Amino acid sequence: AIQLTQSPSSLSASVGDRVTITCRASQGISTALAWYQQRPGKAPDLLIYDASSLESGVPSRFSGSGSGTDFTLTISSLQPEDFATYFCQQFNSFSWTFGQGTRVEIK
Amino acid sequence: QVQLAESGGGVVQPGGSLSLSCAASGFTFSAYGMHWVRQAPGKGLEWVAFIRNDGTNKYYGDSVKGRLTISRDNSKNTLYLQMNSLRAEDTAVYYCARGYKWFDPWGQGTLVTVSS
Repeated sequence: AIQLTQSPSSLSASVGDRVTITCRASQGISTALAWYQQRPGKAPDLLIYDASSLESGVPSRFSGSGSGTDFTLTISSLQPEDFATYFCQQFNSFSWTFGQGTRVEIK
Repeated sequence: QVQLAESGGGVVQPGGSLSLSCAASGFTFSAYGMHWVRQAPGKGLEWVAFIRNDGTNKYYGDSVKGRLTISRDNSKNTLYLQMNSLRAEDTAVYYCARGYKWFDPWGQGTLVTVSS
């Protein structure tokens, strides 16, 4: 199965900061990658799909890029409600896997 | 609006069985594939199983193959997960989610605890 490795595992940032999270796949997956946000005690929410498509209703400060094995999620200006854990997820040959998560904390 | 509501979680002894349900509303359930995803306490997300919209094909994660069974009843707008031969490592919040490549939306989750 394809493995996803996120970095960093956690980060501290301030409101207004630009934040970038990386997700690396163990083999090429074209653009079959999504990003989710999970706040404490809540279910995950879809942010980005097909590596760079913004889900309806998600603020434009979120963006995704990449293809093949290397992907990034960028938050252009961190807001208080963005402090959460972010997961990448891939789909390939009827197997779905998630990265281990990146926790974004308040500095 | 689209809603998914899981039920059936609880405490079960190792080796025991449990059945989870996911009631869907606000969309044409029979038109969508559905997933189960789990999250152990304080841990990341693990995909568990997927079923096509018409129930003809089912896929499972390696750690649950042969023990967990996904099914659906489109007449009742309900997704199921039959869990047998449960182990301590199956302890998690179990979420149902709509979709094929992606998971959107998710239910609120139901906690399954496997403990003696």
